[in-house]
Amino acid sequence: EPEVTQTPSHQVTQMGQEVILRCVPISNHLYFYWYRQILGQKVEFLVSFYNNEISEKSEIFDDQFSVERPDGSNFTLKIRSTKLEDSAMYFCATGTDYEQYFGPGTRLTVT
Amino acid sequence: AQSVSQHNHHVILSEAASLELGCNYSYGGTVNLFWYVQYPGQHLQLLLKYFSGDPLVKGIKGFEAEFIKSKFSFNLRKPSVQWSDTAEYFCAVIRNTDKLIFGTGTRLQVFP
Repeated sequence: EPEVTQTPSHQVTQMGQEVILRCVPISNHLYFYWYRQILGQKVEFLVSFYNNEISEKSEIFDDQFSVERPDGSNFTLKIRSTKLEDSAMYFCATGTDYEQYFGPGTRLTVT
Repeated sequence: AQSVSQHNHHVILSEAASLELGCNYSYGGTVNLFWYVQYPGQHLQLLLKYFSGDPLVKGIKGFEAEFIKSKFSFNLRKPSVQWSDTAEYFCAVIRNTDKLIFGTGTRLQVFP
């Protein structure tokens, strides 16, 4: 069964550094999403992406965040200058018509 | 504010016990409802979903959920749990847009 994959599984970075989280979607999916889950809290929507542009973003998704599909397959989330409060699990999801399939997540630790 | 509430934060059961996890949402109008499960160390997996039609929805692994529109609820049930059901369970809603709005999750522990 096809799966969403994410790399790396764990990223440790220093405050102020840039990080790029990568996601490989299921091949025929057209909708892409990033969510995050701070330890002990609920899963929160960050951004949705369709037809090579952002379709919706949350208030969390400020100017420090960006998404793209650089090569038409990978879907990336970039955080330009990480803050301590960016430490969380970041989940990529891809889907069609309201059904979303989640990747295993990247644990980002900002020190 | 728009929200999804899961009132049971931590549930502990013995094998073969019946399970019901509560989920309430605060939106009017049409919603699509989901239950996701996250087994230890694994990613979120879809258990079941409700878009329309029969309000009693059957999912994988013997789970079912009932949509009660008048109560804004979508409770998850299983008549007899197993040790392998130990996991975190998340209720989620989609309304108008395609973003999932999650509840805070319920941690289920099943003891043999």
